[in-house]
Amino acid sequence: DGGITQSPKYLFRKEGQNVTLSCEQNLNHDAMYWYRQDPGQGLRLIYYSQIVNDFQKGDIAEGYSVSREKKESFPLTVTSAQKNPTAFYLCASRMAGRGNTEAFFGQGTRLTVV
Amino acid sequence: GNSVTQMEGPVTLSEEAFLTINCTYTATGYPSLFWYVQYPGEGLQLLLKATKADDKGSNKGFEATYRKETTSFHLEKGSVQVSDSAVYFCALNQAGTALIFGKGTTLSVSS
Repeated sequence: DGGITQSPKYLFRKEGQNVTLSCEQNLNHDAMYWYRQDPGQGLRLIYYSQIVNDFQKGDIAEGYSVSREKKESFPLTVTSAQKNPTAFYLCASRMAGRGNTEAFFGQGTRLTVV
Repeated sequence: GNSVTQMEGPVTLSEEAFLTINCTYTATGYPSLFWYVQYPGEGLQLLLKATKADDKGSNKGFEATYRKETTSFHLEKGSVQVSDSAVYFCALNQAGTALIFGKGTTLSVSS
């Protein structure tokens, strides 16, 4: 089955630690995205990548980093510089170059700082 | 820049009531418009989309019409069910950019 997989579903981090969230897709999509979801704030774009080895900052990139070494994978690292990392993180992918194609989402990772 | 504004929630309805969730957008050119739905603890799923003016997207009894003159894409359903309880997001996209979402509207349907 084609799809997009995020892992883990729940993640706990101690303050001061970096943590990496995994996102893998087998849909052969060029474009991948990371969003952060907080109650009442909707989805805010962290980073996106339209092609391998290239990515752009979104609206709230500070304290986060990404890599895109393979088409299938777009991991997100939440660094210790992120002041308030507790949130629900969603990864998505879609065909690049056309604005009318839908995005497919993973099931999300809920990160909690303890 | 591009933006999406949707009505504040929560929206609370009885089963079989009529549903409208308003969505307006700001964008240059001709974006594609989407409605996504999110059930508790899950990611988002596409509900419907429209890619040009006057297009009507529909799915599972939900409908929305792309109105360029009013820059709107309101979601409607004639008779809601308890299983429709979820968070609904309006979104827009243009080629080469990321999807831009509204803040979401929580719908709660009681029997």
